[in-house]
Amino acid sequence: NAGVTQTPKFRVLKTGQSMTLLCAQDMNHEYMYWYRQDPGMGLRLIHYSVGEGTTAKGEVPDGYNVSRLKKQNFLLGLESAAPSQTSVYFCASSLMGLPGYTFGSGTRLTVV
Amino acid sequence: KQEVTQIPAALSVPEGENLVLNCSFTDSAIYNLQWFRQDPGKGLTSLLLIQSSQREQTSGRLNASLDKSSGRSTLYIAASQPGDSATYLCAAFHTGANSKLTFGKGITLSVRP
Repeated sequence: NAGVTQTPKFRVLKTGQSMTLLCAQDMNHEYMYWYRQDPGMGLRLIHYSVGEGTTAKGEVPDGYNVSRLKKQNFLLGLESAAPSQTSVYFCASSLMGLPGYTFGSGTRLTVV
Repeated sequence: KQEVTQIPAALSVPEGENLVLNCSFTDSAIYNLQWFRQDPGKGLTSLLLIQSSQREQTSGRLNASLDKSSGRSTLYIAASQPGDSATYLCAAFHTGANSKLTFGKGITLSVRP
């Protein structure tokens, strides 16, 4: 099925551990985004990419790194997880930044 | 910096009622305005998209309007049903070097049978 796939769907980390969230899309979209969603805060943009090999910071980039080595994949890394990074993470993609974003189903991350 | 506001944060209505969800934005230089639905524990589903040159869009019982000059959009839901219970988010889209969506915090709707 065409769309945006996020792995894993759930994860519990201990403070200081590292992990990588994977986002994969098969729609040949140029633009990809990572958002986090927190109660009372809405969705906030972490990082985004306008094409293979490019990345840019969003609203809340601190504590995260990203890579876009292949057009279809956008990776979000946490080098040293903190409890403040407990959140639901959503990946999205769009064609050349045009309207009509497609969202993944989310990754629920808990840092204890 | 664009700010998108949705008030109230939660709304409860009886089944069958027609209702309006409001969204306001501070920067009127938007490319389009999108409405999304989010069910508990799920991702976002796009409902309606209104281009900046349009005034409204309709899909079934949903109608979204856009007034750029006043920085407002509304989502009208006709004859609400319990299955409409969800969180509804609006998002303003800007093009250019920093092309991105700016989201409101959403309105959690509960439709009582």
